[in-house]
Amino acid sequence: DADVTQTPRNRITKTGKRIMLECSQTKGHDRMYWYRQDPGLGLRLIYYSFDVKDINKGEISDGYSVSRQAQAKFSLSLESAIPNQTALYFCATGGIAGLNEQFFGPGTRLTVL
Amino acid sequence: QKEVEQNSGPLSVPEGAIASLNCTYSDRVSQSFFWYRQYSGKSPELIMSIYSNGDKEDGRFTAQLNKASQYVSLLIRDSQPSDSATYLCAVYAPGTYKYIFGTGTRLKVLA
Repeated sequence: DADVTQTPRNRITKTGKRIMLECSQTKGHDRMYWYRQDPGLGLRLIYYSFDVKDINKGEISDGYSVSRQAQAKFSLSLESAIPNQTALYFCATGGIAGLNEQFFGPGTRLTVL
Repeated sequence: QKEVEQNSGPLSVPEGAIASLNCTYSDRVSQSFFWYRQYSGKSPELIMSIYSNGDKEDGRFTAQLNKASQYVSLLIRDSQPSDSATYLCAVYAPGTYKYIFGTGTRLKVLA
C-alpha cells in the first residue's frame, strides 16, 4: 500500500463550489504539506502542519483552508472554487529530523469550470 | 528570497550516455538536498538525498554536493529512455521546515 494517499485523484467542479481534498499517510511523519503545481511555475506551498495544533500558511494560502484531523490526516479545502485554482495538487510528508526526506502523494488533478 | 535554480532544458542525451543535471541554491545554511524525478502528470518521486560535501552513489545515480560553491548535481549513468522525465532539485530550509524546489530540468533520453 502507498505511504501517502490522496482522494479524489481527479475532480471536475464548477466555480463557487466548495471542494475538499484529503490526504492520509502511514509513514508516521509529523509534518504534512499541501502544494499545487502549475505548468512552468513549479511546486508552490499552500499550507503545512507540524501537528494537529500547528498549522502554517505557505506562499499561496489565499482561497484555501486546511484541517489536520490527526497526525496521519491533512485535508485541503477550497471554500469557493475559481477557475485559476485549476491545477495539480500534491500532499507530502516531511521526514525524520536530520534526514528531512519529503514524500509525495499521487496527486489530485482539479479542474474548476 | 531563498532560491533554487535549474536549467529548464530540455537536456537531450543519447541512450547509454551520462546525463548531468545541475542545481544552484542561494541559502548558505541549507543542510539537506534532494533530487526528485517527475513523470508528466505524476507526483515527484525521491531518488537521491545528500547531506555532506562529495559524491553519493545509488545504482546508476550519483549526487554531488559542493556547499562552498552552493551547487548540487545529479549524474545518471547509462541513461535509458525510461529516465526521460523532469528532475526537480529541492533544498530543505532549516528552521522554516520548508522545502525550496527548483522548477525542474526536463531530460530526454533518445533511443
